[in-house]
Amino acid sequence: QSALTQPASVSGSPGQSITISCSGTISDVGGYNLVSWFQQHPGKAPKLMIYEVSKRPSGVSNRFSGSKSGSTASLTISGLQAEDEADYYCCSYAHINTLVFGGGSKLTVL
Amino acid sequence: EVHLVQSGAEVKKPGESLKISCKGSGYSFSHYWIGWVRQVSGKGLEWMGIIYPDDSDTRDSPSFLGQVTMSVDKSINTVYLQWSSLKASDTAMYYCARLASGISGAIDTDFDYWGQGTLVTVS
Repeated sequence: QSALTQPASVSGSPGQSITISCSGTISDVGGYNLVSWFQQHPGKAPKLMIYEVSKRPSGVSNRFSGSKSGSTASLTISGLQAEDEADYYCCSYAHINTLVFGGGSKLTVL
Repeated sequence: EVHLVQSGAEVKKPGESLKISCKGSGYSFSHYWIGWVRQVSGKGLEWMGIIYPDDSDTRDSPSFLGQVTMSVDKSINTVYLQWSSLKASDTAMYYCARLASGISGAIDTDFDYWGQGTLVTVS
């Protein structure tokens, strides 16, 4: 079971928008609308930011949005803020009742 | 308020056994899946498996199948992750996390509450 493919790093300036991709296959991302995104600050537990491709949990800023096209999911953060600097992970349901995480992307706010 | 509280850091030698715990509170413990996630220092998140406390139904990652055992004690709202013979490569932070969609028989990816993590060092 291979990890989903994410860019190792992304960066943007305050106020800009960035997008993080999460590429999989028809057996995971492409086959199900069960993709979540997690934010993790250093030394902290991950935090759910997006679930079911594009839904936001209560309390998560509407600057965070999710989408999917084919076997690639994306997380977009608009109006970048310094506090958004963190690692971001996608996670997808995969066939035969398993889950798989992406390798993670480090977001740097310049 | 929902809380997941994990047991404390462990230092073990190769070949030793270990059982770490994750205690839930503030919700109907038996009816929400609890998953385990490994994170080696400086590396990414890895899904290990998930258990439904009400009936101990489990789903295992092929990468961890046979390496660890998940179990639950509903009477004290606690799930466990157990190793029978630790290896140095098991050194990592281990998180438990609750699935928001508490549906028996069906798993999802919406881990809405996480424990604080248990650091396991095998050396």
